[in-house]
Amino acid sequence: AQSVTQLGSHVSVSEGALVLLRCNYSSSVPPYLFWYVQYPNQGLQLLLKYTTGATLVKGINGFEAEFKKSETSFHLTKPSAHMSDAAEYFCAVTHVNNAGNMLTFGGGTRLMVKP
Amino acid sequence: GAVVSQHPSRVICKSGTSVKIECRSLDFQATTMFWYRQFPKKSLMLMATSNEGSKATYEQGVEKDKFLINHASLTLSTLTVTSAHPEDSSFYICSARSTSGSGNEQFFGPGTRLTVL
Repeated sequence: AQSVTQLGSHVSVSEGALVLLRCNYSSSVPPYLFWYVQYPNQGLQLLLKYTTGATLVKGINGFEAEFKKSETSFHLTKPSAHMSDAAEYFCAVTHVNNAGNMLTFGGGTRLMVKP
Repeated sequence: GAVVSQHPSRVICKSGTSVKIECRSLDFQATTMFWYRQFPKKSLMLMATSNEGSKATYEQGVEKDKFLINHASLTLSTLTVTSAHPEDSSFYICSARSTSGSGNEQFFGPGTRLTVL
């Protein structure tokens, strides 16, 4: 079984400030981890993913995330928030043995960016 | 990049009618497509996994007779909400997994907002 917990359903930062969105997972086998962004009334767009290799993963729009096995975490960061980053962010997990690649999503974190 | 489309993007229907939502992979073949439901300000809930040429696999608690899924080709899956009721109003999102390349990534459609009056 696998699960994802996103701490903080709402995060508010000022424009230019650091963005940190937290994601912790549980998986009995090595995980594949994803971050998606969703803008209002739209589908999900992949920000970045970790499968194997380098644990620090860089994605689109200046976001990056680090896979920390010892902490079972995959937190999403961005050094400087932009107004256009305001959206809903979802962390998701699957694993290498999941032939169907079924994703399990966290509850989501709504990022608000203040001018 | 891999593009998934959904049609319609928005539909309003009367209670008791059936609504069909299409999910298409535009530039790749998808042996597997997934259907999700998202309630307002909530996360995505997997409804079913759709495999081309075979019956869909439904998640626990999802009525297969109410949410009919057909995956007739490698580029098209349809979700039909039969005898829709107001509680079926939701945002429905599909995703598709490519038969080639990175097998661990799902590409998501833009979603369909269903409102049942």
